[in-house]
Amino acid sequence: EVQLVQSGAYVKKPGESLKISCKGSGYRFTSYWIGWVRQMPGKGLEWMGIIYPGDSDTRYSPSFQGQVTISADKSISTAYLQWSTLKASDTGMYYCAKTSFYDTSGPGPFDSWGQGTLVTVSS
Amino acid sequence: EIVLTQSPATLSLSPGERATLSCRASQSVSSSLAWYQQKPGQAPRFLISDASNRATGIPARFSGSGTGTDFTLTISSLEPEDFAVYYCQQRSNWPPTFGQGTKLEIK
Repeated sequence: EVQLVQSGAYVKKPGESLKISCKGSGYRFTSYWIGWVRQMPGKGLEWMGIIYPGDSDTRYSPSFQGQVTISADKSISTAYLQWSTLKASDTGMYYCAKTSFYDTSGPGPFDSWGQGTLVTVSS
Repeated sequence: EIVLTQSPATLSLSPGERATLSCRASQSVSSSLAWYQQKPGQAPRFLISDASNRATGIPARFSGSGTGTDFTLTISSLEPEDFAVYYCQQRSNWPPTFGQGTKLEIK
């Protein structure tokens, strides 16, 4: 069974840094792209970016390029999303999700999801 | 960036009724459209890929159709567990984008 298990909730102050994690199991972690999706409080889903853990090829949505960093450590089957300087507007739920393919049209849909990590940024 | 507009924003129906949810793209996405379901406090659940292909384990009452700019998710006979928010997502153009969601609520 495919499982993506995310790190727990965080409460941080503006200006602080943060790195959240997503550990994959039940499948070959290095062979499938993992992406990140933001959901701000009471709002819809936003596609942030995606990484291929096999070679760390990373692609960002322009809205998130330069705002976050996506990485992966294939030795421990874990993907990460990090901020160097948090803002209050980074408050939200962050989901990691796996896609089964990436073809000429782009990354496939997310077929397995983590449980989400709630990030609260407040002074 | 392709904008996906879902309608209606809220749909109020009773169990047993048929639900029809719409997703319109600002430009053609061919058939590269997926649908997800999200219940309160839960992660989204993948329902349909490539406009009309049900994901593994998704009941047959869920069906998708459309191509180009106009897409529909149909739930043939609503079950109590189907009341949730539904999102469409395109992957045809970079970046992939989601619609704003349709809330399906019990009437």
